[in-house]
Amino acid sequence: GAVVSQHPSRVICKSGTSVKIECRSLDFQATTMFWYRQFPKKSLMLMATSNEGSKATYEQGVEKDKFLINHASLTLSTLTVTSAHPEDSSFYICSANTGTSGSYNEQFFGPGTRLTVL
Amino acid sequence: QKEVEQNSGPLSVPEGAIASLNCTYSDRGSQSFFWYRQYSGKSPELIMFIYSNGDKEDGRFTAQLNKASQYVSLLIRDSQPSDSATYLCAVKGGGSYIPTFGRGTSLIVHP
Repeated sequence: GAVVSQHPSRVICKSGTSVKIECRSLDFQATTMFWYRQFPKKSLMLMATSNEGSKATYEQGVEKDKFLINHASLTLSTLTVTSAHPEDSSFYICSANTGTSGSYNEQFFGPGTRLTVL
Repeated sequence: QKEVEQNSGPLSVPEGAIASLNCTYSDRGSQSFFWYRQYSGKSPELIMFIYSNGDKEDGRFTAQLNKASQYVSLLIRDSQPSDSATYLCAVKGGGSYIPTFGRGTSLIVHP
């Protein structure tokens, strides 16, 4: 299957700092990328859908000013958690669709970034 | 509101048995169906997808789709302890390319 990388895999930061997470599609171009958050033993929660060259679409309840998403190229999307607080500690996972946007393309996940805010 | 329902489990099966994981969905216009495996502390990994009614086999895995009943299942033959994980069902279509995920079923394969 297609490969999606994420960096960093793990980050520990102090409260109030900002953290940037990168998501890259390594062997395909991804017009659409998704950002998820997952708390321990809980289900995936979609945070936002990111389309190359346009503003991200955020799910209800997700603060766009706190979770900044930039999808500057067909292979790179970034999520910046601004002024992180302990309640932002979670497992952040990106994913990317192969091919053009549509129902019949596959979605592959990055390995995830575990964020711990002290 | 599109919904994808899965029994959270855990589903416990002995090694070598067939594990049957089920998923129902609410949107009759759904077009594509995916099964992901997620080990604890890891991200989901795509293991199967199916678009047409009927069965699709890949190694020890068989996906079964019944659009009339709005039901998709995953069978794992000759279950191994390494199959122990949470299995997520995802559904796309009905005018949206954004997948809707179920909460996942925890599978435990005991020796």
